Amino acid sequence: AQSVAQPEDQVNVAEGNPLTVKCTYSVSGNPYLFWYVQYPNRGLQFLLKYITGDNLVKGSYGFEAEFNKSQTSFHLKKPSALVSDSALYFCAAKTGANNLFFGTGTRLTVIP
Amino acid sequence: DTAVSQTPKYLVTQMGNDKSIKCEQNLGHDTMYWYKQDSKKFLKIMFSYNNKELIINETVPNRFSPKSPDKAHLNLHINSLELGDSAVYFCASSQEASGRTDTQYFGPGTRLTVL
Repeated sequence: AQSVAQPEDQVNVAEGNPLTVKCTYSVSGNPYLFWYVQYPNRGLQFLLKYITGDNLVKGSYGFEAEFNKSQTSFHLKKPSALVSDSALYFCAAKTGANNLFFGTGTRLTVIP
Repeated sequence: DTAVSQTPKYLVTQMGNDKSIKCEQNLGHDTMYWYKQDSKKFLKIMFSYNNKELIINETVPNRFSPKSPDKAHLNLHINSLELGDSAVYFCASSQEASGRTDTQYFGPGTRLTVL
């Protein structure tokens, strides 16, 4: 079965420190990988996606993610966290024309 | 300009009632979706729909039915509401379902509470 795992329900990081939100996937075929962010009482906002090519993908708000095929991971990173980055982050994957399926989400809290 | 909009934002109703949630997108996309987010924030696809095909997640009860008056709208109608239907429902759209790399854009969500 295809799945996306976000092993950490909660990540806390101090403002100004680098942050990482982890994601691993299990899919058949070549995956297309996405990160979305959900602020309180808001819909999901697209951050970035990996389709092919360079394993390091840069997205909105200074976020980036690294595709690692051997480890089947697509961790989200940011060099310096802001308090305003505090939100719920979802990793998602799809293969071919199949539907997008999501991980369970990771709540990021940036501490001032 | 709102790309994907949903109404209402909040919906509180009694068990057994029938209700609808409306969704509109002004992105010119061909495909629209409905997702359910439960109390644990888990997101699950319910339907994807374009002018050619309706794909239904087989785990969705047939009390749920999508209705699309035109390409820019996909409404969700729910019959005989149950307590377990309480959740946040998100509408989304993408350029086309067969576009493997297409990004989906989400609406702000509708929080449904069934009493």
